[in-house]
Amino acid sequence: QQQVRQSPQSLTVWEGETAILNCSYEDSTFNYFPWYQQFPGEGPALLISIRSVSDKKEDGRFTIFFNKREKKLSLHITDSQPGDSATYFCAASVRNSNNRIFFGDGTQLVVKP
Amino acid sequence: EAAVTQSPRNKVAVTGGKVTLSCNQTNNHNNMYWYRQDTGHGLRLIHYSYGAGSTEKGDIPDGYKASRPSQENFSLILELATPSQTSVYFCASGDYGISNERLFFGHGTKLSVL
Repeated sequence: QQQVRQSPQSLTVWEGETAILNCSYEDSTFNYFPWYQQFPGEGPALLISIRSVSDKKEDGRFTIFFNKREKKLSLHITDSQPGDSATYFCAASVRNSNNRIFFGDGTQLVVKP
Repeated sequence: EAAVTQSPRNKVAVTGGKVTLSCNQTNNHNNMYWYRQDTGHGLRLIHYSYGAGSTEKGDIPDGYKASRPSQENFSLILELATPSQTSVYFCASGDYGISNERLFFGHGTKLSVL
């Protein structure tokens, strides 16, 4: 059973629009949710993260919205730029533990100029 | 900034041959991971380690072995490479605790098995 699911698999938006990437998870014990950004030819890198005690985390144009009851979260990228074109991975883990992290399959975002 | 270095960056191997992918980290992290990335499958965990001398099976360990001889080094070994193992492989290091809750990835190794 896949622990973390992402949708859509791919997304295309125009420059200046808001891109919305969705994520859901299975295990209610997960309490830490990082998002990783991956550019072609590179490894993923941490972009932004949220803990389950919060329902929103903002960092510049990137915002995570978290719904603990529904076990869903989303990443909003406002004023999307062509440089934001990348694959975005949602992940989940139990904070302050040595438990492994679970990744979703990723959303490939293309921002057209 | 934490550093994870993978070698080689590209590798072409023959079916049935032995392949060793190497990973070195200078972060002094206890945990290290090997993932493979294929289109439509995201990042799939092959093996991981909690420290020198330890290796654990991930979600897709069949056909792969791992070795962690030191804190810094973690290798992935394909004893008998098959074309289905053609993929991009990523190594990562991390520690989960109060101060450090992120994985640091290498740039990847592109493996082609012919």
